[in-house]
Amino acid sequence: EVQLVESGGGLVQPGRSLRLSCTASGFTFGVCAMSWVRQAPGKGLEWVGFIRHKAYGGTSEYAASVKGRFSISRDDSKSIAYLQMSSLKTEDTAVYYCSREESGNSDYWGQGTLVTVSS
Amino acid sequence: QLVLTQSPSASASLGASVKLTCTLSSGHSSSAIAWHQQQPEKGPRYLMKVNSDGSHRKGDGIPDRFSGSSSGAERYLTISSLQSEDEADYYCQTWGNDIRVFGGGTKLTVL
Repeated sequence: EVQLVESGGGLVQPGRSLRLSCTASGFTFGVCAMSWVRQAPGKGLEWVGFIRHKAYGGTSEYAASVKGRFSISRDDSKSIAYLQMSSLKTEDTAVYYCSREESGNSDYWGQGTLVTVSS
Repeated sequence: QLVLTQSPSASASLGASVKLTCTLSSGHSSSAIAWHQQQPEKGPRYLMKVNSDGSHRKGDGIPDRFSGSSSGAERYLTISSLQSEDEADYYCQTWGNDIRVFGGGTKLTVL
């Protein structure tokens, strides 16, 4: 059974950093791209970024709203994807979901972790 | 620019059918999309991928009541025999080499 579990959310002050983790199980993590998607309170889904698997260079792409502030990495030996968030703004407040990708689309989702950016 | 357009809301009666629409922006009418369901207070759930020829492939455990189709730049999700648990937000998603895009979502109310 495919499982994705996000962790690391919480309350953080504007301008600070936070790292989220997505721990995967039930599939061969190393051959899958992984995405991060967020949902601000009462809003729709917003793509944050994704990381390709190693066979495609393991490189990442980001939405314009987070480019230069957020970074995605992966540890295939631990089946974990990370979202490093820096210079956080109040508008980054959201539930953050990780998802497994299959040829571009998300096909499995985690339960999400809430990040609140507030002073 | 790759954009997906969805109507903000839809409604249908219990036991009836409903067809939700997702429209691809100009120049992207051959793109595939995916449909996701988000029930209240829950995370998203992948429903299916719909190709430009109308073929679709559903995710694990998705009931036969859910089906997909296409016409031009429009991609559809049809839910038949509506049940109360189908009341949810439905999002379409598409992708390019270096981008992923979600539509604004359709809130489905089951009357």
